[in-house]
Amino acid sequence: AAGVIQSPRHLIKEKRETATLKCYPIPRHDTVYWYQQGPGQDPQFLISFYEKMQSDKGSIPDRFSAQQFSDYHSELNMSSLELGDSALYFCASSKTGVNTEAFFGQGTRLTVV
Amino acid sequence: AQKVTQAQTEISVVEKEDVTLDCVYETRDTTYYLFWYKQPPSGELVFLIRRNSFDEQNEISGRYSWNFQKSTSSFNFTITASQVVDSAVYFCALSSRGSQGNLIFGKGTKLSVKP
Repeated sequence: AAGVIQSPRHLIKEKRETATLKCYPIPRHDTVYWYQQGPGQDPQFLISFYEKMQSDKGSIPDRFSAQQFSDYHSELNMSSLELGDSALYFCASSKTGVNTEAFFGQGTRLTVV
Repeated sequence: AQKVTQAQTEISVVEKEDVTLDCVYETRDTTYYLFWYKQPPSGELVFLIRRNSFDEQNEISGRYSWNFQKSTSSFNFTITASQVVDSAVYFCALSSRGSQGNLIFGKGTKLSVKP
């Protein structure tokens, strides 16, 4: 079965650079969620999109932006990277409705040096 | 405010022992969902179970079982006859959305199963 695809799996950037993370949801899933997990921390919800519109917002820094495209894939754009942005970034997708579960991708490990 | 507390930071057991991971949650919502996820050393988040607030039935899946008690706001997870492959960080999470939206995770419990 198709799963959530995230790319790249690993990314190394320098401070003040920008990074773009991509997420391809499971086919026919209309909702995408982004989470950030710092080293030794629990995942923190950043933002979600439903049908290409932002549906919820968590602790996403102003330096970050995201969008969902017409093919439902999503991109998380991160600018002016800081050392503290080094983390595992998860994307999850679900099909809207009650009792629907979200499926997580394998994550993108971003290292800022 | 919503909150998930996993008081056990790390647990170490020997293979074949039973182990229970505790999870206590706080929410003012009457409808909410509780989850458990497993995060092995490879890093991915593996969904284990979802339970809605109206369903207090305990669930068993192979060596895994879950005990949901609204009276104590707890959703504990037991692994019977633990195996080395069970070694991972286990997260309990809470969502008040209809599906898995804004998930609030606990800090996680790192389980080490030694041979």
